[in-house]
Amino acid sequence: QKEVEQNSGPLSVPEGAIASLNCTYSDRGSQSFFWYRQYSGKSPELIMSIYSNGDKEDGRFTAQLNKASQYVSLLIRDSQPSDSATYLCAVPRGSGGSYIPTFGRGTSLIVHP
Amino acid sequence: EPEVTQTPSHQVTQMGQEVILRCVPISNHLYFYWYRQILGQKVEFLVSFYNNEISEKSEIFDDQFSVERPDGSNFTLKIRSTKLEDSAMYFCASSELSMNTEAFFGQGTRLTVV
Repeated sequence: QKEVEQNSGPLSVPEGAIASLNCTYSDRGSQSFFWYRQYSGKSPELIMSIYSNGDKEDGRFTAQLNKASQYVSLLIRDSQPSDSATYLCAVPRGSGGSYIPTFGRGTSLIVHP
Repeated sequence: EPEVTQTPSHQVTQMGQEVILRCVPISNHLYFYWYRQILGQKVEFLVSFYNNEISEKSEIFDDQFSVERPDGSNFTLKIRSTKLEDSAMYFCASSELSMNTEAFFGQGTRLTVV
């Protein structure tokens, strides 16, 4: 089983809609979860982190975590064409003080006007 | 705002040549990482570095690769004898701690092996 799984997409939504991006992970002991945005040819940019079950909101972004289901999602409200990018889910794996951020394949989001 | 910086942004090298990719992590960070991303593929972990030694490495990080922190600020990745399949974006990242802390990425070095 892959450590971090994401639907590669593309996910296409109209401008102003809610985009919902999903991620599942295999390590039940994981305690921190991150969403990165990556524009084509650029580096991953951290946009959200979440550590506890439930929702965490930051502007137009909401991260949702369900540890029992090993599922983390990212909602983007009022999607803009500038949100078009690949969204990477990252879950640190490891133990004993050494945790390596491990990335999913990423979901490509296209927001069309 | 503090950031991770990488040089060069683009490197073209001939197969078999050695390359050194350079990174300056965020100053108060303790954990450093190298990742690579082949065009169209996922971001893959190469190596992590803490307390002046490698803490973990992936299967990709074979004897052709090495890392070094030659001074208090730089963190380098060396590829001894480049192959065509080493062509990729190489990202350096750093984090303040390990568990439960965010990793911040540099802008990357695009390595092209010809």
